[in-house]
Amino acid sequence: AQSVTQLDSQVPVFEEAPVELRCNYSSSVSVYLFWYVQYPNQGLQLLLKYLSGSTLVKGINGFEAEFNKSQTSFHLRKPSVHISDTAEYFCAVSGDVNTDKLIFGTGTRLQVFP
Amino acid sequence: EAQVTQNPRYLITVTGKKLTVTCSQNMNHEYMSWYRQDPGLGLRQIYYSMNVEVTDKGDVPEGYKVSRKEKRNFPLILESPSPNQTSLYFCASSPPLAVRDEQFFGPGTRLTVL
Repeated sequence: AQSVTQLDSQVPVFEEAPVELRCNYSSSVSVYLFWYVQYPNQGLQLLLKYLSGSTLVKGINGFEAEFNKSQTSFHLRKPSVHISDTAEYFCAVSGDVNTDKLIFGTGTRLQVFP
Repeated sequence: EAQVTQNPRYLITVTGKKLTVTCSQNMNHEYMSWYRQDPGLGLRQIYYSMNVEVTDKGDVPEGYKVSRKEKRNFPLILESPSPNQTSLYFCASSPPLAVRDEQFFGPGTRLTVL
């Protein structure tokens, strides 16, 4: 079975500071990894995804994530955050072709202060 | 514009009164899914559909029904709502290889059952 752990439920940070949101997964099959963002009162939208190839994945709005197979991690990073990055971020894993399931973590709320 | 729409966006109802939340997508996607989002629990899948007339249970199907008579529509039915179904609900769709593909989310339906 696949699972996702987001260790930090909330991450407060000042504007223009760097940020890392942590995500660890467990899976017995090959994985595909995703980060979704949910802005206040909106649905989720895709930030980036890892399917194969380069372990460093770049997404929208200056975010990037690195797939680390040995540490079973897929941490999300941004070198300099803006107020507009305040949102909830969800890590998700899939890969089980029998179920087509996307398994979500519990989310990390990023709060950017001026 | 490619989108997933849900109606209603907000609903307050009473225990036992049947309700339907509609979901429609205009991207010709085969795969559609319903999730509920609760604080500290992230998104959990209720039901999903790989194609027309093909539906299957997700992780938390109790108390819900779905149907997929047309490709574009995937309504969620609560035959006898209870207060523990108070939640934020999201519909999502994607192309057939859902394990690799981005899921597109609707704006959400906030349901309160009194």
